[in-house]
Amino acid sequence: NAGVTQTPKFQVLKTGQSMTLQCAQDMNHEYMSWYRQDPGMGLRLIHYSVGAGITDQGEVPNGYNVSRSTTEDFPLRLLSAAPSQTSVYFCASSYQSGHTDTQYFGPGTRLTVL
Amino acid sequence: QQPVQSPQAVILREGEDAVINCSSSKALYSVHWYRQKHGEAPVFLMILLKGGEQKGHEKISASFNEKKQQSSLYLTASQLSYSGTYFCGTEEGYALNFGKGTSLLVTP
Repeated sequence: NAGVTQTPKFQVLKTGQSMTLQCAQDMNHEYMSWYRQDPGMGLRLIHYSVGAGITDQGEVPNGYNVSRSTTEDFPLRLLSAAPSQTSVYFCASSYQSGHTDTQYFGPGTRLTVL
Repeated sequence: QQPVQSPQAVILREGEDAVINCSSSKALYSVHWYRQKHGEAPVFLMILLKGGEQKGHEKISASFNEKKQQSSLYLTASQLSYSGTYFCGTEEGYALNFGKGTSLLVTP
């Protein structure tokens, strides 16, 4: 198993550009989440999904969109990038609900918005 | 809402003990603990569930006081490999909200 994979590893955008961060898992996990990590702020929840077709907002959802068309994939879209979105983004998945089961994290995407 | 962790940072000598605390303003069903090494993804350590069930790392212990909405992670006889940032997580919908982290450095 590859586990949780994320692409790209690094990305530089200009303000106003859009892009999609990819996340995929091959463990047949129903629950997937996106977090951003900023220095001194810990991991903050952006969006999560409890299965294909079902998503919900986390603590910091503004400026981000998600969809879940398959169990394996959970892409995160930045519609119009802003410097405040410079961060490291982690995707995580779990077999059962994220608050009762182990979360497996991907390696992260480091995003810089100029 | 993010849980609150204390202390923010700890420096230990190898073999010493440490306690990391986590508290929440709302009632909890579970508390999670993860460790992150610099430049890497967080890695699961332990889950503590309401009612006393625990899942996780055999060499690490933790407590969960449901009434006080608090958890503590106990690192005993620390090893160099324990260095990293420790995060506690509490439920947010069907995902987790993490604290800001506690940086732990174990020196020889």
